[in-house]
Amino acid sequence: DTVLTQSPALAVSPGERVTISCRASESVSTLMHWYQQKPGQQPTLLIYLASNLESGVPARFSGSGSGTDFTLTIDPVEADDTATYYCQQSWNDPTFGGGTKLELK
Amino acid sequence: EVQLVESGGGLVQPGRSLKLSCAASGFTFSNYYMAWVRQAPTKGLEWVASITNSGGSTYYRDSVKGRFTISRDNAKSTLYLQMDSLRSEDTATYYCTRDPTEGIVEDWFAYWGQGTLVTVSS
Repeated sequence: DTVLTQSPALAVSPGERVTISCRASESVSTLMHWYQQKPGQQPTLLIYLASNLESGVPARFSGSGSGTDFTLTIDPVEADDTATYYCQQSWNDPTFGGGTKLELK
Repeated sequence: EVQLVESGGGLVQPGRSLKLSCAASGFTFSNYYMAWVRQAPTKGLEWVASITNSGGSTYYRDSVKGRFTISRDNAKSTLYLQMDSLRSEDTATYYCTRDPTEGIVEDWFAYWGQGTLVTVSS
């Protein structure tokens, strides 16, 4: 299985720029996707194929990367962005990262 | 509007069985690849199983192979997950998901249901 590694938590102030990283144990080309999960809710798709913004998602969110290193950027961060963010690869059987919990100061 | 509504969760003893359902609406169900993803309490997300739009091919994570069966009834626009020989580590919220594009396998999850909780405990 392809293992995806994320930092467990981040704390930022509203208005700042935040980058959330995801590293894959092997190359997944650009078959990387990002989800947001707010407490008590189901996940929602933010970014697909590394850098494509899902319809309806604010342009404050963006994704980049290829191969093994990927980044989700939120700029500027808003209070409503408090959530856990997961990366997921589809190069082989789907796997998810452990999630990065974003908290606002 | 795409809607996925799971049902069938509950408390079940280890070793017993449970069958989850996912009623789909708002799209042509028979054209889309579907999957189940689960999340143990306070843990991350874990893909469980996938099924092609025709139901002709199925895929499972290793830990559920031989115990879980994914299936679909395209006439009823319903996805199923039959779970046998349940273990405590299967305790999780189970989400029904849909691939983004009809007719092709993409293995990312554009739509999610609200989830149904399965608790395996004696």
